[in-house]
Order: sequence, then C-alpha cells, then structure tokens
Amino acid sequence: AQKITQTQPGMFVQEKEAVTLDCTYDTSDQSYGLFWYKQPSSGEMIFLIYQGSYDEQNATEGRYSLNFQKARKSANLVISASQLGDSAMYFCAMREGVNFNKFYFGSGTKLNVKP
Amino acid sequence: DAGVTQSPTHLIKTRGQQVTLRCSPKSGHDTVSWYQQALGQGPQFIFQYYEEEERQRGNFPDRFSGHQFPNYSSELNVNALLLGDSALYLCASSFDESSYEQYFGPGTRLTVT
Repeated sequence: AQKITQTQPGMFVQEKEAVTLDCTYDTSDQSYGLFWYKQPSSGEMIFLIYQGSYDEQNATEGRYSLNFQKARKSANLVISASQLGDSAMYFCAMREGVNFNKFYFGSGTKLNVKP
Repeated sequence: DAGVTQSPTHLIKTRGQQVTLRCSPKSGHDTVSWYQQALGQGPQFIFQYYEEEERQRGNFPDRFSGHQFPNYSSELNVNALLLGDSALYLCASSFDESSYEQYFGPGTRLTVT
C-alpha cells in the first residue's frame, strides 16, 4: 500500500482565494510526523509545515495550516489567500520508524494560481 | 549561514559508468539524507547517514552507496549507471537523526545516456 497518497495531480485556484490540497497516509506506528513541502520549478524543496502525531492542535504557519484528522489518516494542507508565487508542486510527506528515519513522499500536486 | 550545498549542479553520464555526488549539510547539522526524484514524481528516500554510518536505507539496490565524512559532508555513489537512474538527486540535512525538520539542497540533475 502507498504510504502517502495525493489524489490531485493538478489544482487551479484564483488569486486571493483559499485552496485545500489533499493528503492521506498509511502507518501502523503510533508516533510519526507529517510534512508539507513546496517545490518551485527551480527544484529546491521548501519546508512549509509540520504536524506530529501526538499534536492535538492543527499546525499553522502563516498562510499555511494543516488539517489533521488522525482517525481518517488525512493531513490536508490549506493555503489561505493564494498568491501568484504559490504556483508550484506541493508534496505531502511522512516520517516514521525508530528515530523517525523512514521518510516517504507523495506524488505531489501541481498548484496553479490564476490572476 | 550557508544552507545545504550540492555539487555538481548538472551531470551527464553514459550507461555503465560510475558517478559521485557531493553534499555539504547546513551549519550545525550532523545528519544527511539522500533522495532520488524522477521527473514528475515525488522524492524517494535512498539512505540516511549519521555519525558516519548508514542508519536507514530505502528500497534501492547496492549500486547506490554512500559515505559521510567527519565534517558531516556526504557523498552518494552510483555504480553501473542505468538509464533509469536519470533523476534529480536531493540531499537533505537535519540537526540530528531524530530531528523532524530537514533542509534540502538545490539538487544534482543526473542524466544517463
């Protein structure tokens, strides 16, 4: 089974609107971490937000928030007030295992922000 | 404060050859992980190095090997290159092996012809 599933290959959003990027995960570990990264066309991977499996509150970082639903094993990224510079690939990822040293990425969602 | 650096930026090799990619971690970081990202896909974890030892390995053949030096920099070696090894190779560093946050380098684009 896929460890990380991102079912939206591509998404369009109007500038200044909010958008939700979906992510589901599969693990039998009790302790794990969930991440979102942004990858512009230049290729570098930019860390956006982190959610630990024991964190009760949803993580937020500026315009980014992570909608963590543990029972559903979902970790959706919400970007509020989209900007043109948000156009990029977005990857959901998970760390699990002893010392958190098993790391898995999803296949990504290409977000296009329209002016 | 220098971030993660990788060299070279681009590389073209022929099938059957060997290649070495290099990574210097962010200052203060002692753990380095390597990823392979094929075109249009998410990164795949290759292995992680901490205290000069390979701590964890993804589903990659033995043709992929690595090394970490006392200054925490790292090399990724790939032997007997295949066309399918063409990808962006990303290096990421973290404060220690259990630290959740990783900082990625710009990557090395390897093309195998």
